[in-house]
Amino acid sequence: QVQLQESGPGLVTPSETPTLTCTVSGDAINSGHYYWTWIRQSAGKGLEWIGRVYLGGVTNYNPSLKSRVTISLDTSKNQFSLKLTSVTAADTAVYYCARQGEVTLGGVVEMNWIDPWGQGTLVTVSS
Amino acid sequence: QSMLTQPPSASATPGQRVTIPCSGGSSNIGRNGVSWFQQFPGRAPQLLMYDNNRRPTGARDRFSGSKSGTSASLAISGLQSDDEADYYCATWDDSVNGWVFGGGTKLTVL
Repeated sequence: QVQLQESGPGLVTPSETPTLTCTVSGDAINSGHYYWTWIRQSAGKGLEWIGRVYLGGVTNYNPSLKSRVTISLDTSKNQFSLKLTSVTAADTAVYYCARQGEVTLGGVVEMNWIDPWGQGTLVTVSS
Repeated sequence: QSMLTQPPSASATPGQRVTIPCSGGSSNIGRNGVSWFQQFPGRAPQLLMYDNNRRPTGARDRFSGSKSGTSASLAISGLQSDDEADYYCATWDDSVNGWVFGGGTKLTVL
């Protein structure tokens, strides 16, 4: 059974550059079968996709966050991480890591899904 | 502002059937399969439906999904009190080159 567990700094001050880590068990992140994804949720608000990383370090980022986000793999530890620069109070949220799968045919995505998710880690940006 | 539009709330009584709509556009729902997630307070979202109408292993068959054009919907039949949760639709958006989510619908079982 695949499980994901986020860890992070909890409280950060504005303009810091926090790094969040997702530890994966029950699956190898270097298998090349899945994308590894970060999603966040501000208090009382909806979900926002941050980005994803694939084997070899191939990434896709939300255009609204792209200039401040780096997602990377650490295959030796079976972890992937999220680094977010120049944080403000607007970045206060619960950050989830998740596994994203897809089935392609002839280069076209036939179906995709995000499952499972980690339990989430709260990052609060405050001075 | 979410790229997918959902009503903020829905309600029904136990045993009823309720439908939650999700509206998008030609670059997202119009081209890609829709997923639905269920989220209880203080918990992580959980995949409920993917590829419009496929249920992951363990998902209850009281839940069903459909898509037509640039809109999708989640239907829950035989509503139960433990269905009270937030429900989010999501899909890949070809213009954003990323996943987009609806704003979520809070379902209340009266």
